[in-house]
Amino acid sequence: KQEVTQIPAALSVPEGENLVLNCSFTDSAIYNLQWFRQDPGKGLTSLLLIQSSQREQTSGRLNASLDKSSGRSTLYIAASQPGDSATYLCAVRRVGAGNMLTFGGGTRLMVKP
Amino acid sequence: SAVISQKPSRDICQRGTSLTIQCQVDSQVTMMFWYRQQPGQSLTLIATANQGSEATYESGFVIDKFPISRPNLTFSTLTVSNMSPEDSSIYLCSVAQGGTDTQYFGPGTRLTVL
Repeated sequence: KQEVTQIPAALSVPEGENLVLNCSFTDSAIYNLQWFRQDPGKGLTSLLLIQSSQREQTSGRLNASLDKSSGRSTLYIAASQPGDSATYLCAVRRVGAGNMLTFGGGTRLMVKP
Repeated sequence: SAVISQKPSRDICQRGTSLTIQCQVDSQVTMMFWYRQQPGQSLTLIATANQGSEATYESGFVIDKFPISRPNLTFSTLTVSNMSPEDSSIYLCSVAQGGTDTQYFGPGTRLTVL
């Protein structure tokens, strides 16, 4: 059974800092890993998708890396802004599980002006 | 990317009643998914809805409690039946676009059961 863990559960940083969010998963047999952002009371916005054959993906100030063999992914946010405040979720699509995503518990990020 | 809408966006319901949530996608998709997010928790998959066949439910979820319809390739409904306060959650539908493998989510339906 796939288990996904995100550390830290919550993070508060001053504006402008670079930060790293961590995601680990127990079963390395994955198709891909996806990072999402969720604003309070809202749905999920897809940020980055990394296929199992890829090492990293970048979009603007966001960079996500994947080390499948060690079961880890990181989301790097450069020059954080108050608008980045949200909960960040990682989710893996496991081989043999169809399109089902297994989610981590999320990291709640607060960027203070 | 797929654009997904859900109705209602939120509702407050009485114990013992049922609520049907609608999910509309702006393009045809093979697979649609229904997730539940309980307060303070992450997302859990309820079921996968394929057009023209019975939905496939995950462990812990049953059709009598969460009946699903999928009449065409752009629409699905999830009913939460005989509700109790434990059903208070955000319910989200999502779709997978085959070309990119990316999954897109609707805005969610926030359900409160009194």
